[in-house]
Amino acid sequence: AQSVSQHNHHVILSEAASLELGCNYSYGGTVNLFWYVQYPGQHLQLLLKYFSGDPLVKGIKGFEAEFIKSKFSFNLRKPSVQWSDTAEYFCAVRGANNLFFGTGTRLTVIP
Amino acid sequence: EAGVAQSPRYKIIEKRQSVAFWCNPISGHATLYWYQQILGQGPKLLIQFQNNGVVDDSQLPKDRFSAERLKGVDSTLKIQPAKLEDSAVYLCASSPGPGWNTEAFFGQGTRLTVV
Repeated sequence: AQSVSQHNHHVILSEAASLELGCNYSYGGTVNLFWYVQYPGQHLQLLLKYFSGDPLVKGIKGFEAEFIKSKFSFNLRKPSVQWSDTAEYFCAVRGANNLFFGTGTRLTVIP
Repeated sequence: EAGVAQSPRYKIIEKRQSVAFWCNPISGHATLYWYQQILGQGPKLLIQFQNNGVVDDSQLPKDRFSAERLKGVDSTLKIQPAKLEDSAVYLCASSPGPGWNTEAFFGQGTRLTVV
C-alpha cells in the first residue's frame, strides 16, 4: 500500500531562515512526486513536481526539492523564507494511478 | 485558462440530511478526483474517475457516499445521510490524460459543516 509521511507538523521560522520540510513515502515502484502549497483561504497550488530525470527540481517562489530514491524521500527546501511563505505544505505521491497526500506541515514565518 | 470550478463554497446541514457537491473540471481533462480534507489532515482520496469510468473508489464509504461523472465532464458527489464526522472540505481536482506524469489542478473546495 502507498503512504506518505510528513514528520514536521508545525514549523516556525524567522524571515531569512532556511527551510527544509521532510517527506518520505512508501511505494516500491516508479513514482511521481509533488509538493503543493495552500495559502490561507486559498486552494491547493502546485509548488513543484518530479516525474523523471534530474532528482533536484526547482519550483516556483524559490523552492526546490530533491528526490533521493534510496531513502524514499522528497524533501522541500528554500534557502531564505519570507513572511509570505506562511502556508500549509503538502507532499503528494502518485504510484500506479492514485495520488496520495501527506498530512501536511504548517509553516509560520515570523517577520 | 479557467480552473476547476466547485459549488457550493459552503454548506451547513443537519445530520441525517443529504447534500450534493458539483465539480466542473478544466476543459479536456480526462481524470477527475474527489478528496475529503478534514481539518488538520491532508486530503484523502475518495474516488478517481478516468473519463466517465471509476478508476479507484476503495476509500469511498459507499453506504452513504456516491459519485458520478456523466459524459466524462462534470461530476457530482453526494452524501446521504450525512454524519457529524463528514464535516470537512471536499476538494475536486482534475488532470489531463490518465494522470501519470501530469499534475492535478484543484478547485477551491466545498466546506461542509454537519450539525
